[in-house]
Amino acid sequence: EDQVTQSPEALRLQEGESSSLNCSYTVSGLRGLFWYRQDPGKGPEFLFTLYSAGEEKEKERLKATLTKKESFLHITAPKPEDSATYLCAVQGGNNDMRFGAGTRLTVKP
Amino acid sequence: NAGVTQTPKFQVLKTGQSMTLQCAQDMNHNSMYWYRQDPGMGLRLIYYSASEGTTDKGEVPNGYNVSRLNKREFSLRLESAAPSQTSVYFCASGTSLGVEQFFGPGTRLTVL
Repeated sequence: EDQVTQSPEALRLQEGESSSLNCSYTVSGLRGLFWYRQDPGKGPEFLFTLYSAGEEKEKERLKATLTKKESFLHITAPKPEDSATYLCAVQGGNNDMRFGAGTRLTVKP
Repeated sequence: NAGVTQTPKFQVLKTGQSMTLQCAQDMNHNSMYWYRQDPGMGLRLIYYSASEGTTDKGEVPNGYNVSRLNKREFSLRLESAAPSQTSVYFCASGTSLGVEQFFGPGTRLTVL
């Protein structure tokens, strides 16, 4: 069965303090690994899709990387507006989408 | 361009009542999805529709039915609501399977 585990559950950073969020997964026939950002009371907002090991994508202060077993979301010099829950999801060969429980990020000024 | 819209935003039901959650997208997407989100459990896929005319079960389909009314609309029906179905429900759409999804604002459902 496809599984996604995200760590840590919660992360508190000072503004400018870089860090990484982890997403470990097991899936049969990876079709894609996705990162989303979710603000309280809202639907998830798409950030990145990664399709194969070694792939990297960047957007402003965020960079996503992928290996055969895990993905990292690196946050460089975060700002308070980066505070949100970050969700990782995988879609396998059976087309089912599995989400992790998320990492709740708080960035203090 | 409204993206993905969901109605209603909030709903309170009594155990045994039925209701339909509506979802529509105006992005000409082929694939549509229904998820539920519970605290500490992340999003779980209920049903999805890869294209107009097809629907498939996801991880947690029991107690739900879906209808892909046309390319734009995908509804979720609870025939006999149970307290365990108290959750936030999200609809999403994408150009196809295996690509990014765009989410609606959610429906917060409470079953008493």
